[in-house]
Amino acid sequence: DTEVTQTPKHLVMGMTNKKSLKCEQHMGHRAMYWYKQKAKKPPELMFVYSYEKLSINESVPSRFSPECPNSSLLNLHLHALQPEDSALYLCASSQGGTGRSNQPQHFGDGTRLSIL
Amino acid sequence: RKEVEQDPGPFNVPEGATVAFNCTYSNSASQSFFWYRQDCRKEPKLLMSVYSSGNEDGRFTAQLNRASQYISLLIRDSKLSDSATYLCVVNPDSWGKLQFGAGTQVVVTP
Repeated sequence: DTEVTQTPKHLVMGMTNKKSLKCEQHMGHRAMYWYKQKAKKPPELMFVYSYEKLSINESVPSRFSPECPNSSLLNLHLHALQPEDSALYLCASSQGGTGRSNQPQHFGDGTRLSIL
Repeated sequence: RKEVEQDPGPFNVPEGATVAFNCTYSNSASQSFFWYRQDCRKEPKLLMSVYSSGNEDGRFTAQLNRASQYISLLIRDSKLSDSATYLCVVNPDSWGKLQFGAGTQVVVTP
């Protein structure tokens, strides 16, 4: 069982919809991540939060908007997505903050997103 | 050159056999190394960290060769449940930007 919980598991939305993906961890990890994964490809980093502050944005389009309300929660707000944004969206967390730790990242089981 | 390169396979392995595969990385200053396994349509799961002296976890053995910039994974006594894609993951620094290989597919057959 994963210790990083993501909701919803599946999401189908139209290009004009607004929705949010949620991620929660209670391991005391201080770094949290959003990844996008297409079929048969490795995960691609989107955002990194360290101590609740955005530390890395991998030039992600503004239709994806991350938010870190507290040390346990990470959201990804979606608006006006395109069909090519259909993918598995993975959240991960790691112990300590970035810049301080080489600890492994632990992944949630993802949200499978389909854009109609 | 890709930052992390893996043989995509598939490696078809009879049940009970041993399989080994490597991964090469380009940044000689890379700090930490991991093997993850990923089942079809599931999330990557940490299999093991790879330490400089090499390490073993049950049937799995990982080795790191810094001079030649590769890591390896060996699976002994393969089980059907070992069928998965194995991702080589390198942390070039401590800032969280992991570098992923494209994965090596292992298929264990009865």
